[in-house]
Amino acid sequence: EVQLVESGGGLVKPGGSLRLSCAASGFTFSSYSMNWVRQAPGKGLEWVSSISSTSSYISYADSVKGRFTISRDNAENSLYLQMNSLRAEDMAVYYCARGRLACTGGTCYSDYWGQGALVTVSS
Amino acid sequence: EIVLTQSPGTLSLSPGERATLSCRASQSVSSSSLAWYQQKPGQAPRLLIYGASSRATGIPDRFSGSGSGTDFTLTISRLEPEDFAVYYCQQYGSSPGTFGPGTKVDIK
Repeated sequence: EVQLVESGGGLVKPGGSLRLSCAASGFTFSSYSMNWVRQAPGKGLEWVSSISSTSSYISYADSVKGRFTISRDNAENSLYLQMNSLRAEDMAVYYCARGRLACTGGTCYSDYWGQGALVTVSS
Repeated sequence: EIVLTQSPGTLSLSPGERATLSCRASQSVSSSSLAWYQQKPGQAPRLLIYGASSRATGIPDRFSGSGSGTDFTLTISRLEPEDFAVYYCQQYGSSPGTFGPGTKVDIK
């Protein structure tokens, strides 16, 4: 059974940093692109970042470029999102999702999703 | 970036009725790269349809997708109680991939 479990969410002040993790199991993690998708409270879905299976291709939404960094450790079956210079508008539930197809620039669909990690940005 | 518009915003129907949800793109979606997701309160999205018309693993055949170019449709042939939720379309043919604002299907 495919499982994706996010951790690392919490309360952070504007300008602060947070690192999200996603532990994957039930599939060959190193064979798949992975995505981060977020959802602000009461709002829709927004693609944040994608990383290819070997980390060769990485892409970000313009809204987070230069502030967020996606990475993965295939030996540990883990995906990460380092979030710096956080803003109020970054407050959301962040989902880790398995990508199908290339995923460059978010050009893929996601067939499995984690339960999400809530990031609250407030002073 | 391709902007997706979903209509209606809310669809009020009774169990057993047919639901027709629309997703319109601001530009043609290449290779019918359009997916549909279902999301219930407090839960993660669930993939229903990809490639505009292919059902994801384990999705009942009452869910069907159609369309091409700029106009796409998700049809639920007979609503079951567990189908009342928010539905999002996503285009993944052009970078950046984008989602529509969602259609809420609620109980009439």
